[in-house]
Amino acid sequence: QKEVEQNSGPLSVPEGAIASLNCTYSDRGSQSFFWYRQYSGKSPELIMFIYSNGDKEDGRFTAQLNKASQYVSLLIRDSQPSDSATYLCAAKDSNDYKLSFGAGTTVTVRA
Amino acid sequence: EAGVAQSPRYKIIEKRQSVAFWCNPISGHATLYWYQQILGQGPKLLIQFQNNGVVDDSQLPKDRFSAERLKGVDSTLKIQPAKLEDSAVYLCASSYGRQYKSDTQYFGPGTRLTVL
Repeated sequence: QKEVEQNSGPLSVPEGAIASLNCTYSDRGSQSFFWYRQYSGKSPELIMFIYSNGDKEDGRFTAQLNKASQYVSLLIRDSQPSDSATYLCAAKDSNDYKLSFGAGTTVTVRA
Repeated sequence: EAGVAQSPRYKIIEKRQSVAFWCNPISGHATLYWYQQILGQGPKLLIQFQNNGVVDDSQLPKDRFSAERLKGVDSTLKIQPAKLEDSAVYLCASSYGRQYKSDTQYFGPGTRLTVL
């Protein structure tokens, strides 16, 4: 069974700090990874995806992928109260292209 | 560009009743997905359509759940009869469905189902 594991949190960070979210996956065949943000009572919205080892930056967000360690992370720089949400990590299978989601990490940014 | 549309947004029914959800994907998206998200968990794929054909329904409880995507655009998901454990948010997502690593799924607003 393909598993995606995330720390459930809550992760509490002060405004302006860096929030670091971690995700591990069990299937070495996973080819790409997606981070979604989900506000309470809302649906997931895409933040970014990554499929090459290393870092990928988009604004205040940086995704990091280490395929050897089967590890993906998301850094949120200069955290704002509006970043308070649950962050879902998803891994895409290279054979059937299905997404497997983790349970999410809840982030709270303290003003 | 219009997003994924879903209706209704909320539904409350009693157990053993039936319910149907509707989804209209983003224009041009060939692949449509139905997910079930239980509170505190990540979305779980129920069924995936490519155009009007089923690609994967391995996680769909077929004794009570059914789905169709006539004409390869809109889709409906039905539960009959509903059980208490079906209380969840039902999310519809769509993507171009191209076999690319970057093919991205976009989610609709979801339908929150409460079974009493």
